[in-house]
Amino acid sequence: AQTVTQSQPEMSVQEAETVTLSCTYDTSENNYYLFWYKQPPSRQMILVIRQEAYKQQNATENRFSVNFQKAAKSFSLKISDSQLGDTAMYFCAFAPLRDDKIIFGKGTRLHILP
Amino acid sequence: DVKVTQSSRYLVKRTGEKVFLECVQDMDHENMFWYRQDPGLGLRLIYFSYDVKMKEKGDIPEGYSVSREKKERFSLILESASTNQTSMYLCASSPATGLSYQPQHFGDGTRLSIL
Repeated sequence: AQTVTQSQPEMSVQEAETVTLSCTYDTSENNYYLFWYKQPPSRQMILVIRQEAYKQQNATENRFSVNFQKAAKSFSLKISDSQLGDTAMYFCAFAPLRDDKIIFGKGTRLHILP
Repeated sequence: DVKVTQSSRYLVKRTGEKVFLECVQDMDHENMFWYRQDPGLGLRLIYFSYDVKMKEKGDIPEGYSVSREKKERFSLILESASTNQTSMYLCASSPATGLSYQPQHFGDGTRLSIL
């Protein structure tokens, strides 16, 4: 069975600091997608960043970047220059290739402190 | 922008009632999903539909059913609500996966309380 594990239920960092959220997954697939979704308090869940497993280059979206280690099945999210608006629940997610369903981790609640 | 609209933001019902949660998307997406979100458990898939009148069970379908009579609308039904179904319910939609994966778009969620 495919699983996604987020080992940090909750984290707090000061504004402007860099923070890394951890995620590991388990699969026997060779081709798949990985995602980080963000759910701000009382607001809609949105996609932050995604990575195709066949691409060696780590994905980057402005202040958000990932460290994808395929052999280790690790997919961490780095937020640089954190802002108060980054306060949210972050979910790591996995999708096998050509499968419309995705599997979510249990989430990491991130607090950015002023 | 894709819009996924859930009919209620907050809902309070009584044990034993039949409860309908409605979800509508405006982007002609083939796929629609219902998730349940609980603290410490993340998102768990209840049901999934990949076409009109088609449905597939997710990880926790017990106590729920779904209906998809039109492409844009996907309803979640609690046949006889119980207190352990108190939760946040999220609807999502996405295009069918073709050559490249298309991400899911989420609604605002319905916080359902069963008394």
